[in-house]
Amino acid sequence: GNSVTQMEGPVTLSEEAFLTINCTYTATGYPSLFWYVQYPGEGLQLLLKATKADDKGSNKGFEATYRKETTSFHLEKGSVQVSDSAVYFCALSDRVNYGGATNKLIFGTGTLLAVQP
Amino acid sequence: DTGVSQDPRHKITKRGQNVTFRCDPISEHNRLYWYRQTLGQGPEFLTYFQNEAQLEKSRLLSDRFSAERPKGSFSTLEIQRTEQGDSAMYLCASSPPRVGGSATDEQFFGPGTRLTVL
Repeated sequence: GNSVTQMEGPVTLSEEAFLTINCTYTATGYPSLFWYVQYPGEGLQLLLKATKADDKGSNKGFEATYRKETTSFHLEKGSVQVSDSAVYFCALSDRVNYGGATNKLIFGTGTLLAVQP
Repeated sequence: DTGVSQDPRHKITKRGQNVTFRCDPISEHNRLYWYRQTLGQGPEFLTYFQNEAQLEKSRLLSDRFSAERPKGSFSTLEIQRTEQGDSAMYLCASSPPRVGGSATDEQFFGPGTRLTVL
């Protein structure tokens, strides 16, 4: 079945450091890929997404490129801030076809990022 | 704020009691999802509604769990005879209708209901 594997945390970085959180997936077909973020005490928020191979999703300085050949969707940011401290989840959903696939999200286990001043 | 809302935010109950949670999706969203998240894990899919029809249920959803969306708007998730293993965060998410043949995959999540079974 479909699955997502992401690097375990916690990841502890100093402010302005470069961030990479690895995510690989197993899926049949052509899934859409997502990064969601969960700040302390808050709900899940979509950070970025990519819907087909070689697409790059970006938002708030974060980027991730949909790599079909390596089945990966690694999250990167050039310079992290203390306010980026949160749990980051990689997720996939099946590509929609006519007839109404569920498009349920399959999540990784999450990676805690702690940024120190 | 017109986001997804869930009620209650926290629920503490004794083993064997029944509990019910409510989710109000974003108003124009016809697709609604329930997920469960335990500590240190990512959310796991429980069930999916399109309008009032429940179209998919996970094997995680035992017979003690039932979900409804009677008028295609809000949804309820009931757990009967709660067990300590039911302790988790229960998340609701909604998505807008598909336009033509394209997918709008993004799901908008509510803040969750944290259930503690003693």
